[in-house]
Amino acid sequence: EAGVAQSPRYKIIEKRQSVAFWCNPISGHATLYWYQQILGQGPKLLIQFQNNGVVDDSQLPKDRFSAERLKGVDSTLKIQPAKLEDSAVYLCASSLDPSPRTDTQYFGPGTRLTVL
Amino acid sequence: QKEVEQNSGPLSVPEGAIASLNCTYSDRGSQSFFWYRQYSGKSPELIMSIYSNGDKEDGRFTAQLNKASQYVSLLIRDSQPSDSATYLCAVNQAGTALIFGKGTTLSVSS
Repeated sequence: EAGVAQSPRYKIIEKRQSVAFWCNPISGHATLYWYQQILGQGPKLLIQFQNNGVVDDSQLPKDRFSAERLKGVDSTLKIQPAKLEDSAVYLCASSLDPSPRTDTQYFGPGTRLTVL
Repeated sequence: QKEVEQNSGPLSVPEGAIASLNCTYSDRGSQSFFWYRQYSGKSPELIMSIYSNGDKEDGRFTAQLNKASQYVSLLIRDSQPSDSATYLCAVNQAGTALIFGKGTTLSVSS
């Protein structure tokens, strides 16, 4: 079974530029998460989708970050404009469904963003 | 504010020893508890999940959960240099985002 796919793996941009990340979850997984992991910290949720609906975006900086999950499969996360503090690894995770014991989250390889 | 606390380490153990990693959490409503391993420059990889009080063993790994004390631990028996990584404790209520600790760095010396 293929895992969670993400691209690009690395991205370097100047501050105030825009950037987009793509995620393809494990086939059949209804729930998709975007996390931000700053060096030395644990991952922190940015947004959670259930199929193509947003479940939790309370920690998403909506003035600069946006995300969508069209057709309940692939998802894109966009930052516009980027700030220096956005330098981090952006992790996508998916889970089968939100029920107990079937909600285990599996992570993709991540996108490492450096903002100069 | 839901929090997960871990000792950041580094925790250093000799090869073949038992490594003990600990984690406490603040949300009494937490239902699911996970240990992820993260090698430098890689993404988190699930090692263990535990949902009920007590012990759960999988090979060299044993997870322990005590909901009354809001405490989760991971024991690694016969530690190997390849176990050297950061171990992330994560908890959630079913279907919600994981709340992660900052991770404990384990170093196993040969």
